[in-house]
Amino acid sequence: DAKTTQPNSMESNEEEPVHLPCNHSTISGTDYIHWYRQLPSQGPEYVIHGLTSNVNNRMASLAIAEDRKSSTLILHRATLRDAAVYYCILKWSDYKLSFGAGTTVTVRA
Amino acid sequence: EAGVAQSPRYKIIEKRQSVAFWCNPISGHATLYWYQQILGQGPKLLIQFQNNGVVDDSQLPKDRFSAERLKGVDSTLKIQPAKLEDSAVYLCASSSQIGTAREQYFGPGTRLTVT
Repeated sequence: DAKTTQPNSMESNEEEPVHLPCNHSTISGTDYIHWYRQLPSQGPEYVIHGLTSNVNNRMASLAIAEDRKSSTLILHRATLRDAAVYYCILKWSDYKLSFGAGTTVTVRA
Repeated sequence: EAGVAQSPRYKIIEKRQSVAFWCNPISGHATLYWYQQILGQGPKLLIQFQNNGVVDDSQLPKDRFSAERLKGVDSTLKIQPAKLEDSAVYLCASSSQIGTAREQYFGPGTRLTVT
């Protein structure tokens, strides 16, 4: 599996943007970049995914570097409900999600 | 739309006992996954079904774990006999189709404690 590297933890203040980096220097041309998050005591939740172009949805934005070796998940205005573990995953097969340890995001009121 | 349902939410058993977990995926989702999540780690795929057939069970410890998906809807994951290292959260997920761009929808999980 292609590997991703994320910081162990990040802190943010409420209503400020959060930029979560992910390095994936061994990404191949057909790997999709997926982000999931896991709130305390819940199962993971899909956030966003992309291949080459930047993507936006109601939850977040995904900025993908031109060489695709890194990406950034952007939460535009963090709320207390955004405190979770965020996983950056390269989806190379038709079905398999390989989770790493993720980034624990703490939001301060 | 109802989400992925799992039961029970919590289970405590002694080692060498058996246990079973149940999952009901989102209606119409052909693909079903079972993951194991040990405390402090990300989820690890155990087995994947496409309808009622197994697509991948390469990381399922087949000497003690078994899973089935009769009629291509509900699924059951069983552990027999349980070991201390099986203590984890067991997550069920489903998706509408196979595909690299397809998202998976996860249930709340079953927390298993083996004493």
